[in-house]
Amino acid sequence: EVQLVESGGGLVQPGGSLRLSCAASGFNFDDYAIHWVRQVPGRGLEWVSGISWNSGNRGYVDSVKGRFTISRDSAKKSLYLQMNSLRPEDTALYYCAKFSGNYASPERHFDSWGQGTLVTVSS
Amino acid sequence: QSALTQPASVSGSPGQSITISCTGTSSDVGNYNLVSWYQQHPGKAPKLMIYEVSTRPSGVSNRFSGSKSGNKASLTISGLQAEDEADYYCCSYAGSSISMVFGGGTKVTVL
Repeated sequence: EVQLVESGGGLVQPGGSLRLSCAASGFNFDDYAIHWVRQVPGRGLEWVSGISWNSGNRGYVDSVKGRFTISRDSAKKSLYLQMNSLRPEDTALYYCAKFSGNYASPERHFDSWGQGTLVTVSS
Repeated sequence: QSALTQPASVSGSPGQSITISCTGTSSDVGNYNLVSWYQQHPGKAPKLMIYEVSTRPSGVSNRFSGSKSGNKASLTISGLQAEDEADYYCCSYAGSSISMVFGGGTKVTVL
């Protein structure tokens, strides 16, 4: 069974930093692109960032470019999101989500999600 | 990277059919047959309902169907049931191998 478990959320002041983690199990971690998707409580989903199976391709939504960095660790089967220069508008539940298709697949949709970790940016 | 446009809410009576639209651009919805739809109940993670415009994952009811024309995708729920009451999000591949974009979400209410 695929499992994605996020951690690292919490309360941080504006301008501060936080590192989110997503521990993966139940699938061959090295074969799949994984993403961060956030949701402001009571609002919609927003794609934040994604990283390809081999870390060769990384993407970010414009609002976080230059502030957030996505990375992955094959040995630990974990995905990370380093968030710097945090702003109140970054307050959200951050989900880790896995692409359905592996590195050889043209599929581009999310078939598994974690339960999310809450980030609150406030003074 | 503008969000896809969805109606804020759609409602229908049990047994009726409803359709949720999702409008993008020629850089996302219009350029790829890689539109997916997700259902989200309160306090839960999103669940994949449709992918590649019109394909249902195993286990998803055939009451859910998807289509696309140009820059606009649609999700139709037929034979509306109380359990269908939830938020629905469209999502499209947006290029560069990894970029994705979501719609703003549509709240479906079963009257």
